[in-house]
Amino acid sequence: EAEVAQSPRYKITEKSQAVAFWCDPISGHATLYWYRQILGQGPELLVQFQDESVVDDSQLPKDRFSAERLKGVDSTLKIQPAELGDSAMYLCASSLLVAGAWLADNEQFFGPGTRLTVL
Amino acid sequence: AQSVAQPEDQVNVAEGNPLTVKCTYSVSGNPYLFWYVQYPNRGLQFLLKYITGDNLVKGSYGFEAEFNKSQTSFHLKKPSALVSDSALYFCAVRGNTGFQKLVFGTGTRLLVSP
Repeated sequence: EAEVAQSPRYKITEKSQAVAFWCDPISGHATLYWYRQILGQGPELLVQFQDESVVDDSQLPKDRFSAERLKGVDSTLKIQPAELGDSAMYLCASSLLVAGAWLADNEQFFGPGTRLTVL
Repeated sequence: AQSVAQPEDQVNVAEGNPLTVKCTYSVSGNPYLFWYVQYPNRGLQFLLKYITGDNLVKGSYGFEAEFNKSQTSFHLKKPSALVSDSALYFCAVRGNTGFQKLVFGTGTRLLVSP
C-alpha cells in the first residue's frame, strides 16, 4: 500500500539552529499539506501546495518558516532559526487532485511525522 | 471560520461495550466531516467521512458515525470496543463553499480496558 514518506522521524536541535524536514507524497497526489501538531492539540495547517504552487500559507510564520515543492512532487519544510516554541510534530499529508480541488471531499493521507525538539 | 469541538479529553470504556466519541462543528455552507485515528508516534489514519447522503456512515475497523445537521454533530461510534481501539481520535471539518481548509478538533483519547 502506498504511503507518505517523511524524514527524519526525530530531530533534536538547539534554538537558533536551522532544521529541514522532507516529505514524499503518495505517487499521483497533486495536493500536499504540511501540518504542525503541538502536544495535546489537533493538527494545524501550515501550508498547502497544489502541484508546485502554494494554495494556502496563511498560518505559516514566514519570518522563520519556508516551504517548497519545486517539481511538484516531494517537498521540504525549513525552520531558521528554530525557537523553543517550535517543538512539535510536523506532519505531511497528500490527497488526490480533482476538478475544483478545494471543494473536493477527498481524504488526506498522512505520513508518520517528524517530531522536533528544540533545546 | 470553521471549527470543531471534541468536548471529552478522554473516554473510558470496557472491552465489548459500545463506545461513542463526540464531535460538534461549525462551518459555512454544508460540511464535509472526517474522523481520523492516531496511534503513538504515528501519523493520522483516515477512518471515515460524511459528504452527503445517508446520515449513518460506516468506516474502517467497524467504526461508524452519525451526522446530525440540526445538532451540528458527527459522533463516532462502535458497537463493541476492542483494546486495540485505544488511541487518539480526531474529528475534522471542511465547508463545501469556496476554498476552506480542513480544521481538526483537539482530539479525544479513547482507553479501552480489558
